Amino acid sequence: AQTVTQSQPEMSVQEAETVTLSCTYDTSENNYYLFWYKQPPSRQMILVIRQEAYKQQNATENRFSVNFQKAAKSFSLKISDSQLGDTAMYFCAFRSANRDDKIIFGKGTRLHILP
Amino acid sequence: GAGVSQSPSNKVTEKGKDVELRCDPISGHTALYWYRQSLGQGLEFLIYFQGNSAPDKSGLPSDRFSAERTGGSVSTLTIQRTQQEDSAVYLCASSGARGGNQPQHFGDGTRLSIL
Repeated sequence: AQTVTQSQPEMSVQEAETVTLSCTYDTSENNYYLFWYKQPPSRQMILVIRQEAYKQQNATENRFSVNFQKAAKSFSLKISDSQLGDTAMYFCAFRSANRDDKIIFGKGTRLHILP
Repeated sequence: GAGVSQSPSNKVTEKGKDVELRCDPISGHTALYWYRQSLGQGLEFLIYFQGNSAPDKSGLPSDRFSAERTGGSVSTLTIQRTQQEDSAVYLCASSGARGGNQPQHFGDGTRLSIL
């Protein structure tokens, strides 16, 4: 069974700094998709970024980028020039591309951006 | 609206009562998920519907919990004989593709409080 592990329950960084959130996963699949979701205090879950496992190039969305290491089964999220609005819970998620499997979420990392 | 709609947004009820939570997914989305989120915690998977396949009920915490999806669209989550530990936010999400890279789209959740 696939699992997703986020080893950092909580992190704090100063505004404008760069922060990296870690995520590792376990699967025997070769083709799959990975996602990072953000959940601010308003509780609305928002997709931040996604990565297809067959793509070697790391996905980037403005200040958000990932470091996808397929062999190591690692999928970290880097937030550059962090802003107060980045304060949120961040969830890493995995979904197999081969079947109708459900998406698997990690337990989340609570990120505080300090003024 | 174009998003996932959940109702009610808040529900307060007495211990022992039954409650029904509703989710209207995005039109055309074949996959529908229910999650439970306790205050400040991660997502607890409850149940997953995919098209006409039998639902994955592996996350339901007890036989007091049940869910159905009528006509492949609207879903209701029912909690019978509610207990105080059922107090949480219940999130619904839908996605469009079978085993694909389509992310989940989340509703705003129902905050359930059991007195």
